Amino acid sequence: GESVGLHLPTLSVQEGDNSIINCAYSNSASDYFIWYKQESGKGPQFIIDIRSNMDKRQGQRVTVLLNKTVKHLSLQIAATQPGDSAVYFCAENISGGALTFGSGTRLQVQP
Amino acid sequence: GAVVSQHPSRVICKSGTSVKIECRSLDFQATTMFWYRQFPKQSLMLMATSNEGSKATYEQGVEKDKFLINHASLTLSTLTVTSAHPEDSSFYICSAISTGTGELFFGEGSRLTVL
Repeated sequence: GESVGLHLPTLSVQEGDNSIINCAYSNSASDYFIWYKQESGKGPQFIIDIRSNMDKRQGQRVTVLLNKTVKHLSLQIAATQPGDSAVYFCAENISGGALTFGSGTRLQVQP
Repeated sequence: GAVVSQHPSRVICKSGTSVKIECRSLDFQATTMFWYRQFPKQSLMLMATSNEGSKATYEQGVEKDKFLINHASLTLSTLTVTSAHPEDSSFYICSAISTGTGELFFGEGSRLTVL
């Protein structure tokens, strides 16, 4: 059931601004990282991924940065739109294994 | 594109009854599927890894006799919540790895409410 008092960290941005969502991962052996977007009542939607032999990868309006030294992952969304409002999760795994998800960040885009 | 379908998307049941949730890969074969549980305002937590033709591997703290997983074919895994209680109410999400490409796809989730 629901855990009373739990709140996802929230990032609130204005439409058109850039958003940066951060994630600290736990396993230094992880070699594959993914960002997912989850809208209310739906399953996770793949946004972008990156392997540990890279430190940056760009997609359409999104960029993922990986800093293995401090085990930090970030997702940058350019020109944020109202449709980007959702909860964003980072996930990590060791090749072929199950994903371990981060705690999530709620992105609210103000029109 | 590849699709993973879950059924039912929503189910309400009485306490003490059992509920079966299906996870199907619609246009690819999946030797391995994963089951996650997500409580409100929380992240996805891995429950078990489902392997076609063999027993599922459960994460620590997940009761295998309560959450029965069957992966009898390369396109279907089922999760049965036995003797459901209100604390089992949650969003259950499956994912499947394409045997051919290694890509991972998620289903849309199944919301279980136990009264």
